[in-house]
Order: sequence, then C-alpha cells, then structure tokens
Amino acid sequence: QSALTQPASVSGSPGQSITISCTGTSSDVGSYNLVSWYQQHPGKAPKLMIYEVSKRPSGVSNRFSGSKSGNTASLTISGLQAEDEADYYCCSYAGSSTFWVFGGGTKLTVL
Amino acid sequence: EVQLVESGGGLIQPGGSLRLSCAASGFTVSSNYMSWVRQAPGKGLEWVSVIYSGGSTYYADSVKGRFTISRDNSKNTLYLQMNSLRAEDTAVYYCARLVGAPPHFDYWGQGTLVTVSS
Repeated sequence: QSALTQPASVSGSPGQSITISCTGTSSDVGSYNLVSWYQQHPGKAPKLMIYEVSKRPSGVSNRFSGSKSGNTASLTISGLQAEDEADYYCCSYAGSSTFWVFGGGTKLTVL
Repeated sequence: EVQLVESGGGLIQPGGSLRLSCAASGFTVSSNYMSWVRQAPGKGLEWVSVIYSGGSTYYADSVKGRFTISRDNSKNTLYLQMNSLRAEDTAVYYCARLVGAPPHFDYWGQGTLVTVSS
C-alpha cells in the first residue's frame, strides 16, 4: 500500500488534456510544497517532470504542469501526444523521520 | 552528462546478503545527496535510504538495521549493503541524485533487480 494515492489508470486522446491526482495527508502533501512528479516508460529510469509542486526542469515540455490544493497534488498534461504514454509517479517530502513517500503510480494511455 | 549505472543485483536466498553499486559520472557523488529507491514487481516506488553530502545517513523503517548506504569518493560510487534479506525486499533498486534546497530527486539510474527467493 503506497503512502500517496493515485488513480491506477487514466486515458485520453491525442490533443486532449488529462489530470492525474495524488492524495496524501497533512503530514506530507499538505505540509510541504515539495511534491514532484516522475514519468517512467517501461524498462526505463524515472524522469523528473515537475518539482516543488509546479516547477518544470529545463527541457521538460510546458505541456506538463503541476498544482496542489490541501492534501492533493495534481499533474496536468495538455495537448496529449503518443510519447506521453507512460507510468507517472508522484512523490512528496514527509518530514525528517519518514523523508520521502511515493504514490502507487498511474498508467497513462493515449488512445 | 549525468549518468548513474547500478550493478550487483541478482538472485539471493532469504537471509543472505548482497551489495549494490551505483557508479556515477558527470558529477561528484560526495557533493550531493544520494538515495536508493526500490520498486517491487508491479508496485509503486518506495524510498529506501539517503546519504547526505556531509555523510549523515537515514533509512526507511522497513530496512533499518539491515541495509547500509555508503559511498567511495575515490570511485565516485554509491553502495547499498543489504543483509538479512527477505522475500519482500525483492525489487528493482534505483539509485538517484537529489538536488535543490529542499531536495528532490532529479537523475535516476536504470535500476538493478534483486530477487530474494529460495
């Protein structure tokens, strides 16, 4: 059982937008603006897509955006493309005893 | 270019020991926070351990007392010594670099599979 709750799967057609939610508690997502999102293609290393809730690393498309409200963070992908099909994981800092917690992952299917 | 390459995984019997390595290039391991994260088959990611640039180490409760994180500055390599292995330790183990203040994971290796089974 993962500490953060994500939907198991989401889908969308090319060009559409989708949102993946990540629900934690007041001890992690709700306490820190330290949520990050990772994209993982099968057999590949996770890739950082969003950090500190809404910041994008250099080189990541501006089609990816992040937000947070209370204990729930969200990743939105606009203008879906075939190469966006992957697993997405959220992560939150959870303090100096638990450190980092992850979600169970969401499989994005581009129809 | 930042690269992380894990090695050392394999099939090990319950109660056995294994040491994982993570060879880094493109940056200095000792100047960064470095971590191990694992992913059990079909499951999500789980943070395992971190070593800070100053040398402090921390562990998830699930591995505390059994796993030890360390680094060799001369080899620019991160290690994870895993003792008293259990079936539930079966996973792909990734090493990852942390950056920023506060830190987040930015670069990850491809992972190495550890299978604990008799």
